[in-house]
Amino acid sequence: AQSVTQLGSHVSVSEGALVLLRCNYSSSVPPYLFWYVQYPNQGLQLLLKYTSAATLVKGINGFEAEFKKSETSFHLTKPSAHMSDAAEYFCAVSGNSGAGSYQLTFGKGTKLSVIP
Amino acid sequence: KAGVTQTPRYLIKTRGQQVTLSCSPISGHRSVSWYQQTPGQGLQFLFEYFSETQRNKGNFPGRFSGRQFSNSRSEMNVSTLELGDSALYLCASSLERRGTDTQYFGPGTRLTVL
Repeated sequence: AQSVTQLGSHVSVSEGALVLLRCNYSSSVPPYLFWYVQYPNQGLQLLLKYTSAATLVKGINGFEAEFKKSETSFHLTKPSAHMSDAAEYFCAVSGNSGAGSYQLTFGKGTKLSVIP
Repeated sequence: KAGVTQTPRYLIKTRGQQVTLSCSPISGHRSVSWYQQTPGQGLQFLFEYFSETQRNKGNFPGRFSGRQFSNSRSEMNVSTLELGDSALYLCASSLERRGTDTQYFGPGTRLTVL
């Protein structure tokens, strides 16, 4: 079984400051990890994913995440926050739940506020 | 290429009624998954369909069911609605069923049960 823990349900940063959203995972097999963003009244949009290639993954909108196996972490960062980054961010792990089916297990989400 | 579409976007029902939600995946995608999103429980997996067969089911009561058609379009049905079924229901499609496949999400159907 796999699980995801996102530390901090709310994070506030000033515009132009570093964004750091934390995600730790638990998985009995090598994980596939994803970060999604959700804007109000919308579905989830993929930011980036880790699929066992490079440990530093670059995504859209200037976001990146680093897979650290020793720390079972996949934290999301962005060097400089923009007002448009205000949204809810979800970390997810994809694991084989049997019969060849992969389901996403999500963290509880982190709401990012950007202060002008 | 058009994204995942879900209809209707909003629904209001009363307790005891049933509801059917529809999802059209991205063209060429064969796997469709459904998730329930609530403030208290977050995002929870409901079920996954591939080639018209349910391949996996989450921990939800039998009142929640679904199906997939030959064109990969999917519907989910909730019978005997309860207040706790109020949620955003998200559909996601992916090309195949590999763990590395990205699941692309629709905008969701917001169900309110009164």
